[in-house]
Amino acid sequence: DIVMTQSPLSLSVTPGEPASISCRSSQSLLHSGGYNSLEWFLQKPGQSPLLLIHLTSNRASGVPDRFSGSGSGTDFTLKINRVEAEDVGVYYCMQGLQTPHTFGQGTKLEIK
Amino acid sequence: EVQLVESGGGLVQPGGSLRLSCAASGFTVSNNYMKWVRQAPGKGLEWVSLIYSGGSTYYADSVKGRFTISRDSSKNTLFLQMNTLKTEDTAVYYCARDVGPWGQGTLVTVSS
Repeated sequence: DIVMTQSPLSLSVTPGEPASISCRSSQSLLHSGGYNSLEWFLQKPGQSPLLLIHLTSNRASGVPDRFSGSGSGTDFTLKINRVEAEDVGVYYCMQGLQTPHTFGQGTKLEIK
Repeated sequence: EVQLVESGGGLVQPGGSLRLSCAASGFTVSNNYMKWVRQAPGKGLEWVSLIYSGGSTYYADSVKGRFTISRDSSKNTLFLQMNTLKTEDTAVYYCARDVGPWGQGTLVTVSS
């Protein structure tokens, strides 16, 4: 199974400041079709997870443009340009290249 | 509006069975890749199963041979038949489309 490792596991950010979360996979996520099969989700407190980014860098419908994804192969990053209070929650990366699809441990974002 | 609504969770004894349903609106289940993901109390996300639009199905090793994913086009609904349930299957179960959304989740508690 592909192991997904996120860092940091928690971060505290001042509103308006940027934030960055790293996700590393134990194997390359490069699909034969030329894309990296990596997704980012946000689970706000008490809510279901919400898809933020799919195929490494494509924002899902309705996701603010302050969220961006990048990376290739085994190293991926989610960046938030200017953190807002509504961004609190746990962020997960997930690989969709091979079954079983696997999630990272989660990164808890708090507001200072 | 694109929406998923799960039902069918509840309390069941070890060794028992449950069938979860996920009713979709705003899109056609059979034209999409659909998945089930679970979250044990206080834990992270765990991928359980998926069904591609072509009908291929895949399972996590932890549920293989016990769980069955299926869909009913006439009802536009996704299902997860869970047999021989174990205490470690206790979790909130979410259904989701590949590009979102996720349902609100349904709690399955396996306990004597």
